[in-house]
Amino acid sequence: ETGVTQTPRHLVMGMTNKKSLKCEQHLGHNAMYWYKQSAKKPLELMFVYNFKEQTENNSVPSRFSPECPNSSHLFLHLHTLQPEDSALYLCASSQDLGAPTEQYFGPGTRLTVT
Amino acid sequence: GESVGLHLPTLSVQEGDNSIINCAYSNSASDYFIWYKQESGKGPQFIIDIRSNMDKRQGQRVTVLLNKTVKHLSLQIAATQPGDSAVYFCAEKPGGFKTIFGAGTRLFVKA
Repeated sequence: ETGVTQTPRHLVMGMTNKKSLKCEQHLGHNAMYWYKQSAKKPLELMFVYNFKEQTENNSVPSRFSPECPNSSHLFLHLHTLQPEDSALYLCASSQDLGAPTEQYFGPGTRLTVT
Repeated sequence: GESVGLHLPTLSVQEGDNSIINCAYSNSASDYFIWYKQESGKGPQFIIDIRSNMDKRQGQRVTVLLNKTVKHLSLQIAATQPGDSAVYFCAEKPGGFKTIFGAGTRLFVKA
């Protein structure tokens, strides 16, 4: 595998379920990100990790809980979500946090909350 | 406030023609700009970037122009092909680690 991978690609969950999204990067990068992509809205940054340490929590509700066990893996734990949380969740990585450095994105997890 | 916006949500071009996708940004402190392409079912993919000390940068079939006076960014795609059909995002980095993305322009290429 190369680049940034995400599993699962699609997820349907009820509001009382608990699920986790997984992201893995094979690029040797130090920074990883979670974004939310909703229809007709810009990408929304949720969390940023640099060298496994969280550097940003962009006012995300506590029903979203990130975990970064090492620089290559990033998880997003989900519990008691709302229908408005249905979206495409994108993971990205970059060599470091500063500019200039582009981010490499995974294919995303399409989440539907019923 | 900070914002990155796109002039047109949809652009339709004939195959073989040149495409121009425009973007306005509001933060004059931004020193790095990026264009991403997102195809259906995929995550955004880096196309080309430009630093604020430049006004033009060329890649393979793509050119990015930066006009800091009017805070305008554009992406030009030469000889547009069906494979160029996608949503294109501009993004800016106003210092630090945050990247601010625009809403996106969908490019349709007609055969």
